[in-house]
Amino acid sequence: RKEVEQDPGPFNVPEGATVAFNCTYSNSASQSFFWYRQDCRKEPKLLMSVYSSGNEDGRFTAQLNRASQYISLLIRDSKLSDSATYLCVVTLTDKLIFGTGTRLQVFP
Amino acid sequence: DGGITQSPKYLFRKEGQNVTLSCEQNLNHDAMYWYRQDPGQGLRLIYYSQIVNDFQKGDIAEGYSVSREKKESFPLTVTSAQKNPTAFYLCATDEGRQPQHFGDGTRLSIL
Repeated sequence: RKEVEQDPGPFNVPEGATVAFNCTYSNSASQSFFWYRQDCRKEPKLLMSVYSSGNEDGRFTAQLNRASQYISLLIRDSKLSDSATYLCVVTLTDKLIFGTGTRLQVFP
Repeated sequence: DGGITQSPKYLFRKEGQNVTLSCEQNLNHDAMYWYRQDPGQGLRLIYYSQIVNDFQKGDIAEGYSVSREKKESFPLTVTSAQKNPTAFYLCATDEGRQPQHFGDGTRLSIL
């Protein structure tokens, strides 16, 4: 079983839609959780950290469920510029473990 | 302008050749990392360094070597022993606590 698993997608959604991605992790000792965004042929960039209490940054909401070992990312009012691959990342003993990413394509 | 600079952006390797990828940072971060990304796969850790003159192997270190003689610099050498070097190579840094920040990457291909 992979340490971090994501649905590769693609998720094709119209502008203005709400879309949610889930990510599961296998090691209950995982310590920190992040979502990164990666545009085609570019480096990953930190989108947001994920806290147990859940956190929101504008149109983006991230949640962590430690009991079920998954994290989620919700994007409201999707924009064309949200089209990218979203990487789920967890830390374990100070090392980052990356999911393979979920591709989002927002169309007009 | 603070950041992480990787060079070159594109690199081609001939059979039996060693090539070196540069990573320089002016963020004053202690920790530096090298990752490899293949299509459809997550980033995989090659080597990392938490402090000058010290580094550790990651999950896929075979066929690679690094040095950390200066805090600012963490070059990665892809040796001829790495039989499948074609990938996107990413350098990252952090302050000893996550999250990490990435350079804009080097694409390596075989001639």
